[in-house]
Amino acid sequence: AQSVSQHNHHVILSEAASLELGCNYSYGGTVNLFWYVQYPGQHLQLLLKYFSGDPLVKGIKGFEAEFIKSKFSFNLRKPSVQWSDTAEYFCAVNPYNNNDMRFGAGTRLTVKP
Amino acid sequence: DAGVTQSPTHLIKTRGQQVTLRCSPKSGHDTVSWYQQALGQGPQFIFQYYEEEERQRGNFPDRFSGHQFPNYSSELNVNALLLGDSALYLCASSSRDRVFEAFFGQGTRLTVV
Repeated sequence: AQSVSQHNHHVILSEAASLELGCNYSYGGTVNLFWYVQYPGQHLQLLLKYFSGDPLVKGIKGFEAEFIKSKFSFNLRKPSVQWSDTAEYFCAVNPYNNNDMRFGAGTRLTVKP
Repeated sequence: DAGVTQSPTHLIKTRGQQVTLRCSPKSGHDTVSWYQQALGQGPQFIFQYYEEEERQRGNFPDRFSGHQFPNYSSELNVNALLLGDSALYLCASSSRDRVFEAFFGQGTRLTVV
């Protein structure tokens, strides 16, 4: 079945550590790619998106993601995390000619001060 | 400028009952999508409304229905509630020319007992 996979369910890091969250998808053809973040008690917010062009996308709060078409991946990175980055992170894929987004199960990030 | 607002925030229903959830989109948005987020999972697309019509539907039974009003607000109706319908229901709004830049509400937590 077509899906979006986030391999890490819970990641625990210390402040200033580097972050990489994996996301793989199984849809063929053209896709739009997204990372959303959900801070505790808040709504889902868009971190960054990729539609076309430069496969390295920069988002808000120092996050970036790299689209590797050959690997069907769109991993999220941040060089140095802060305690305030503690949240749930969701990867989402919009397959071509569809109006919906397909979400992964999410990765919970805990940053220790 | 209000974001996406959903009501109610929480409710408890009994199996077999019917429920209506409401969503007001962000100002300037004309497209509303509904998602179901079960505990520990990512959001799953239920359907999308544009110009008062259902534009696309996900893999949900006919017990799930919706409506969009001329002011772009929307309702999600679920009939014959099952225990498995317990979830967070999210509304996302966007504009028709930037349909993938979706803004999410905080959701309605539905518990079916």
